[in-house]
Amino acid sequence: KAGVTQTPRYLIKTRGQQVTLSCSPISGHRSVSWYQQTPGQGLQFLFEYFSETQRNKGNFPGRFSGRQFSNSRSEMNVSTLELGDSALYLCASSLDQGDEKLFFGSGTQLSVL
Amino acid sequence: AQSVTQLGSHVSVSEGALVLLRCNYSSSVPPYLFWYVQYPNQGLQLLLKYTTGATLVKGINGFEAEFKKSETSFHLTKPSAHMSDAAEYFCAVSDRSNYQLIWGAGTKLIIKP
Repeated sequence: KAGVTQTPRYLIKTRGQQVTLSCSPISGHRSVSWYQQTPGQGLQFLFEYFSETQRNKGNFPGRFSGRQFSNSRSEMNVSTLELGDSALYLCASSLDQGDEKLFFGSGTQLSVL
Repeated sequence: AQSVTQLGSHVSVSEGALVLLRCNYSSSVPPYLFWYVQYPNQGLQLLLKYTTGATLVKGINGFEAEFKKSETSFHLTKPSAHMSDAAEYFCAVSDRSNYQLIWGAGTKLIIKP
């Protein structure tokens, strides 16, 4: 069974640009969560999607958004990038909403210059 | 509000020595507790979890953790460290009201030859 796939693996952008990250969950998993990981802040929850609906949202500005498609694949978008958005963005899938057994992808390393 | 504190951002042990990674939590309700591990350049994977029942929980790769309600702790141990255990370890508690995991800051385990 294929794991959680995140693309791209690395991304370099400049301030003010926008970026879209993609996540394909494990087959059969219906819930997708996104996290931002930085050395200083650790793991910060961004949002969770289940059945194409955002079910939970962390404490991030509106520049961070996401969506989930009918096949459970998810994308997250960050607009008007800031230097502080440089981080590893992790996607995790689980069978159902609220399932704490998460399966993580390897992440997308975003660098904002 | 729930929170997780991991004592020590870095822990260094010799190969073959005992591994002890500390995690304390605060929760107003009976907690569900988790340890995840992140190997270099990879996403996180679940090591073990405590929900109910036996307070000593065994996980993968020889790790175990004991839930101690009186001490609000869920420390992770392994009797004998191996070089392959070098990774970052995250403790998390589940907020059952909104199905979010609250994460500790992580502890990087360094294994000395």
